Amino acid sequence: AQSVTQLDSHVSVSEGTPVLLRCNYSSSYSPSLFWYVQHPNKGLQLLLKYTSAATLVKGINGFEAEFKKSETSFHLTKPSAHMSDAAEYFCVVSEWSNFGNEKLTFGTGTRLTIIP
Amino acid sequence: EADIYQTPRYLVIGTGKKITLECSQTMGHDKMYWYQQDPGMELHLIHYSYGVNSTEKGDLSSESTVSRIRTEHFPLTLESARPSHTSQYLCASSDLTVAGTEAFFGQGTRLTVV
Repeated sequence: AQSVTQLDSHVSVSEGTPVLLRCNYSSSYSPSLFWYVQHPNKGLQLLLKYTSAATLVKGINGFEAEFKKSETSFHLTKPSAHMSDAAEYFCVVSEWSNFGNEKLTFGTGTRLTIIP
Repeated sequence: EADIYQTPRYLVIGTGKKITLECSQTMGHDKMYWYQQDPGMELHLIHYSYGVNSTEKGDLSSESTVSRIRTEHFPLTLESARPSHTSQYLCASSDLTVAGTEAFFGQGTRLTVV
């Protein structure tokens, strides 16, 4: 069985400072991992994904994440926060089962607040 | 922008009414999902489909029903709306044939039952 733990429900950073959103996962197989962002009253937008290629993944809007198998982590980072980054962020793990079907498991989300 | 659309975006309706939330995608994806999300909370899978004539219940029990008569269309129906159904409903789709592909989400329907 797979699971996702987002270690912080709420993160506040000042504009221009680094962002770190933490995600740990467990998976029986080689997982795919995703980060999605959700702005208020909007759907989810894909930020980046890891699918067993390079362990450091670059996404949109300056975000990146590093897959660390030994630590079962997939933390999201950005060097310098912008006011427009304020949103809810979801870490998602996907497993491709023996039957070829994919199951997505969502974390509980991290609300990112940017302080002017 | 993902080619997946939900209508309506916002709906306020009285208790006991029947409602259908529409979801359509133009990407030819076989797999489609419905998630329920309360404000500021995580997403809960309530229904999914592997393709035409396939529907499955998700992890969270729901009084809603779904149908999949066409690949591109995955409507969700509530026969008799109640205030406890007030929530945001998100539709998504993904390509079953590609391992590790992401799910594409619609903008969501925010339902309020009064």
